[in-house]
This record gives sequence, C-alpha cells and structure tokens, in this order.
Amino acid sequence: AQKVTQAQTEISVVEKEDVTLDCVYETRDTTYYLFWYKQPPSGELVFLIRRNSFDEQNEISGRYSWNFQKSTSSFNFTITASQVVDSAVYFCALSEAGGSSNTGKLIFGQGTTLQVKP
Amino acid sequence: EAGVTQFPSHSVIEKGQTVTLRCDPISGHDNLYWYRRVMGKEIKFLLHFVKESKQDESGMPNNRFLAERTGGTYSTLKVQPAELEDSGVYFCASSQLAPTGRRARSGNTIYFGEGSWLTVV
Repeated sequence: AQKVTQAQTEISVVEKEDVTLDCVYETRDTTYYLFWYKQPPSGELVFLIRRNSFDEQNEISGRYSWNFQKSTSSFNFTITASQVVDSAVYFCALSEAGGSSNTGKLIFGQGTTLQVKP
Repeated sequence: EAGVTQFPSHSVIEKGQTVTLRCDPISGHDNLYWYRRVMGKEIKFLLHFVKESKQDESGMPNNRFLAERTGGTYSTLKVQPAELEDSGVYFCASSQLAPTGRRARSGNTIYFGEGSWLTVV
C-alpha cells in the first residue's frame, strides 16, 4: 500500500534559521512522483515541486531545496534562512504513475505546520 | 491564466441540509480531482474525473456524496444530507491529460484550488 509519513507535526523556528521538513514514503511502484505543497493561512494549496522516481538529482530553487533519497524512501525539504512568510502547513504527497490510466491520484502526508517567528 | 476556482469559499449549514460545491478547473485540463481534509487529518482523495467520466471514485465516503462533471468542464460535489463529520475543507484540483507510453514518465502537475470550507452545525 502507498503511504506518506511526515513525522513532524509542528516546527517552530526563529527567522533566518534553516529548517528541514521530513517526508518518508512507501510504495511498491517502480515509477512514481513525489510532490510538496504549501498551504499558507489563506488556505489554498500551492504547488512547490514534483519529482520523478527515476530522477534522484537534488533540486534547489532560491531558499528552497529538496533532497530525494530512494535508498531511504525520503524526500526532505529544506528552507534556508527562513522568513515569517514561510509560515504555513507543508504537505508531502506521492502519486503512482498509473500505467495507461495515469490517474495522478495523490496520497498526502499528515502535513507539517511550520511557524517562523520574527 | 485563471487557476482552479472553487465556490463557495466558505459555507455553514445545518445538519440534514444540502450543500453543493462547485469547481472550475484550469482551462484545457481534462483531469479533475476532488479531495477533502477533515479537521486535523490528512488530505484524502475523493474521486477523479477524466473529462466527464468518473475514472476513480474509490475515495467517496458514502452515498450522501454525489459528484458530477457535465460536459467535461466544471464539476459539482453535492452532500445530501450533510452530517457533522462532513465538516472540513474540500479541495478541487486539475491537471492536463498525461501522455501514455514512453512519454508517460513526464507526468503532470496537479494544481489545487483554494478550497471550499464547509462547516456543518
């Protein structure tokens, strides 16, 4: 069965600190996709990144970076020099490739609430 | 380009009443999904449309929930009659129809709306 675990329920840091949000997944599929979404206080789910299972290259986008490790089934997300505007709930999600159906159905983790204090 | 839009943004109804949520996907997106997050729990898949057809409705909790997508454009999700445990946020999402075969490895990004926050009292 597919499963996504975000063990950290809440994290609180002070502005400018670095913070890493953990994500561990389970799947039997050999081809799958991993996602991170951000839910700010306004409520919408904002897409941050999609990763394919066959591409283990880490990615950096500004202050955001992602570390994908297939060996440990982890897809961790690091925010460098955090800012108050980073305060939000962050969700990690897994999607099977689905073969010909290609459903794109997402399995979400429980979410990690990040609070960045000034 | 407009994103996924949902209406209403907030709704408060009494137990036993009916509520209909609407979702307008991004133009050109054949895939449309409904998800919900009840209080304190993870976001869960409800169902998936490809154009006007239900591809997967394995996540629908019971027969009080009815989703439609007439003409393959916007979708509605009706809850009738609403119960207290239906309270939560209902997200709609859409994506392009992904290619199959060798090109299927590219996948497609799923974009979410702002959610419809439902409170049943």
